[in-house]
Amino acid sequence: GENVEQHPSTLSVQEGDSAVIKCTYSDSASNYFPWYKQELGKRPQLIIDIRSNVGEKKDQRIAVTLNKTAKHFSLHITETQPEDSAVYFCAARYSGSARQLTFGSGTQLTVLP
Amino acid sequence: DSGVTQTPKHLITATGQRVTLRCSPRSGDLSVYWYQQSLDQGLQFLIQYYNGEERAKGNILERFSAQQFPDLHSELNLSSLELGDSALYFCASSLTGGAGDGYTFGSGTRLTVV
Repeated sequence: GENVEQHPSTLSVQEGDSAVIKCTYSDSASNYFPWYKQELGKRPQLIIDIRSNVGEKKDQRIAVTLNKTAKHFSLHITETQPEDSAVYFCAARYSGSARQLTFGSGTQLTVLP
Repeated sequence: DSGVTQTPKHLITATGQRVTLRCSPRSGDLSVYWYQQSLDQGLQFLIQYYNGEERAKGNILERFSAQQFPDLHSELNLSSLELGDSALYFCASSLTGGAGDGYTFGSGTRLTVV
């Protein structure tokens, strides 16, 4: 099955700086890579996703890049704000018969004012 | 409101007991997933149903079982509860369960076993 590793586990940045979170996946047949944001005590919410036929996707201050050869993908948040503070999870979905998402272990992002 | 409804929001029960968690998927979604989130374990996949049938199974204990009913709501049954079963249990739904389908999560059920 799929295995997803996520780094770092915690990340502190100053407000206005950029934050980068990286994930690697094990199964080259995976073809869908979403990112979720989870605020304390709340449900994970999809913030951006990318499919394997695309190398980069942007949505305002958030971008995701995918390197299929190296089997890694990254989340980039620019001009960070205190409300970006949360736990971020990457995930990967194998394209085979098992279609569930496998999640990384999460990154606690803290944006310092 | 995500459209995925989970009840109850909180549950406190004693070791050895049995509980049932309920999930109603977003309108039109056919696939339901259950995940367990413990403090140090992230989001662990338990089981997936699609249109009433089990589609995939993760690290779900034998003491746990689930089903999806004809109206597409799902129930997760946890029995012979242990202290280590205390966790947040999330249900998520997607349209088809296909490779490009995103999930929508419910707000979760926080289970505390004492």
